[in-house]
Amino acid sequence: QKEVEQDPGPLSVPEGAIVSLNCTYSNSAFQYFMWYRQYSRKGPELLMYTYSSGNKEDGRFTAQVDKSSKYISLFIRDSQPSDSATYLCAILAGGTSYGKLTFGQGTILTVHP
Amino acid sequence: GAVVSQHPSWVICKSGTSVKIECRSLDFQATTMFWYRQFPKQSLMLMATSNEGSKATYEQGVEKDKFLINHASLTLSTLTVTSAHPEDSSFYICSARSGTGGNEQFFGPGTRLTVL
Repeated sequence: QKEVEQDPGPLSVPEGAIVSLNCTYSNSAFQYFMWYRQYSRKGPELLMYTYSSGNKEDGRFTAQVDKSSKYISLFIRDSQPSDSATYLCAILAGGTSYGKLTFGQGTILTVHP
Repeated sequence: GAVVSQHPSWVICKSGTSVKIECRSLDFQATTMFWYRQFPKQSLMLMATSNEGSKATYEQGVEKDKFLINHASLTLSTLTVTSAHPEDSSFYICSARSGTGGNEQFFGPGTRLTVL
């Protein structure tokens, strides 16, 4: 079992739709939860970063963490064609593995006009 | 925001040659840098973690003699792929973490290596 599982999609939605991206993880030691966006042939850029269960909102993006279920989500409201990219969940370990990011497989999202 | 650069952005080399990739933190000091590899349509896989002034820590399955990492200063880490082969063709991405204790890693734009 992979430490972080993410539905690879691809996901195709019309402009204005609400997008839901999800990951599950297996290691309870994971402490910090991140969502990255990666455009083709570019490095990932950080979108959201949280460490507690609950919701965190930033503009059109909402990150949700449920530590009891080991489940994290990213919601994109009013999706735009410019949101078309690969979205990667990433989880930061604590303890002796502090600083190491473990990434999900990435979900390819296409928002069409 | 913090900026990380990589050079070159792409490189094509012949099988058997060595290739060096540079990763620089432009506006902050990075005590720790990470090197990842990403194959097409796959996620980032951590190769190694390097701390300034000390030897890199390699992930299981990554050959340290093939992928030489040097983190000689707080703003520069290099990855050298020695005796490259076609199966080493990939997208190599570095990230850097500030020495101020934050958790965020800032990623470079990546280097696409093609070995003929």
